[in-house]
Amino acid sequence: NAGVMQNPRHLVRRRGQEARLRCSPMKGHSHVYWYRQLPEEGLKFMVYLQKENIIDESGMPKERFSAEFPKEGPSILRIQQVVRGDSAAYFCASSLAGPTGELFFGEGSRLTVL
Amino acid sequence: DQQVKQNSPSLSVQEGRISILNCDYTNSMFDYFLWYKKYPAEGPTFLISISSIKDKNEDGRFTVFLNKSAKHLSLHIVPSQPGDSAVYFCAASGHNQGGKLIFGQGTELSVKP
Repeated sequence: NAGVMQNPRHLVRRRGQEARLRCSPMKGHSHVYWYRQLPEEGLKFMVYLQKENIIDESGMPKERFSAEFPKEGPSILRIQQVVRGDSAAYFCASSLAGPTGELFFGEGSRLTVL
Repeated sequence: DQQVKQNSPSLSVQEGRISILNCDYTNSMFDYFLWYKKYPAEGPTFLISISSIKDKNEDGRFTVFLNKSAKHLSLHIVPSQPGDSAVYFCAASGHNQGGKLIFGQGTELSVKP
């Protein structure tokens, strides 16, 4: 199955630590999107990346959050100095055709900040 | 500012009957609308979509209706099956913003045997 792969599926961090979430898109897909789902809410767009480029980061918090999609390897969503409010499910999605393509979502990474 | 709203957090339906899930939006620039289905501990999976140039799209048991003047869309599932029990998210996007979806809060559908 060459679906969108996210890891880790579950991550526990203490306040102040760093969290790194990884996403490998579907084979052949070069467009990656990160979404966050807070408890009892819908998914909220965070960032859209293509290989080595951030296309749209309008949904990213201004501080502590960063994302990359290097030429080789998975996309990484990095959260520095985590706080309890960062506890959420983080979903990665990929598409073949960018803005006009269907999104395929991974199973999500659930971050818990103690 | 919730641009896409699903006002019913939950819906319970008997197996074999019709399930109707509703969604309202505020941004008239949205031109593409989608429904996603999500099981617990899984990612959303695409179900059905509709372009703003249409008012209906049908795929098997699933039909999406779009009322642009009311800024309202609905998903009809008939007949409903227990396997349809999941959270359904409505989503919208603007022109050439296909991957940047604006999601509603979701409606949890429970189909009882």
